[in-house]
Amino acid sequence: GENVEQHPSTLSVQEGDSAVIKCTYSDSASNYFPWYKQELGKGPQLIIDIRSNVGEKKDQRIAVTLNKTAKHFSLHITETQPEDSAVYFCAASQSGNTPLVFGKGTRLSVIA
Amino acid sequence: KAGVTQTPRYLIKTRGQQVTLSCSPISGHRSVSWYQQTPGQGLQFLFEYFSETQRNKGNFPGRFSGRQFSNSRSEMNVSTLELGDSALYLCASSLGLAVSTDTQYFGPGTRLTVL
Repeated sequence: GENVEQHPSTLSVQEGDSAVIKCTYSDSASNYFPWYKQELGKGPQLIIDIRSNVGEKKDQRIAVTLNKTAKHFSLHITETQPEDSAVYFCAASQSGNTPLVFGKGTRLSVIA
Repeated sequence: KAGVTQTPRYLIKTRGQQVTLSCSPISGHRSVSWYQQTPGQGLQFLFEYFSETQRNKGNFPGRFSGRQFSNSRSEMNVSTLELGDSALYLCASSLGLAVSTDTQYFGPGTRLTVL
């Protein structure tokens, strides 16, 4: 079955700097890669997703890149702000409504 | 549009008891998935229901079960609770139809503590 590895497990950046979180997956059949942000006491919130027919997707300060050949995808957050502090999860699945396989999460701390 | 709601938000049970958790999906969504979140294992898929039928199942023992009603609301049940069942149980809903474009949206979760 699918296995998703996520790095780093913790990340601290200064406010205004960029943050990058990387994930690798094992199943070449996976073609849907969402990223979720989870704040304390809340459920995961979808922040951006990418499907295998595109290599990059951007939404304001957030971007995701996908390399299907190497089976890895990354989340890029630019101009980080304190409210970006949270745990971020990557996931992979074969479609949007098949079971998601999650990475272990990255705790991002943005220091003001 | 209202999001995914889960009740109750917190539960405390003792070993051997059983528990039922409820999830109301986003209006119009017909697929409901359940996940268990623990610090050690992260987010793990339990099962998915679509049109009142279990469509996918994760690798959990038979003590974990679920069902879906005709209005798409879903419940999950855990029988004979063990200490290791303490976790945040998350429900996610999606349209369940457009395989290539569907997206799962999560509720706030139910925090279950087993003493």
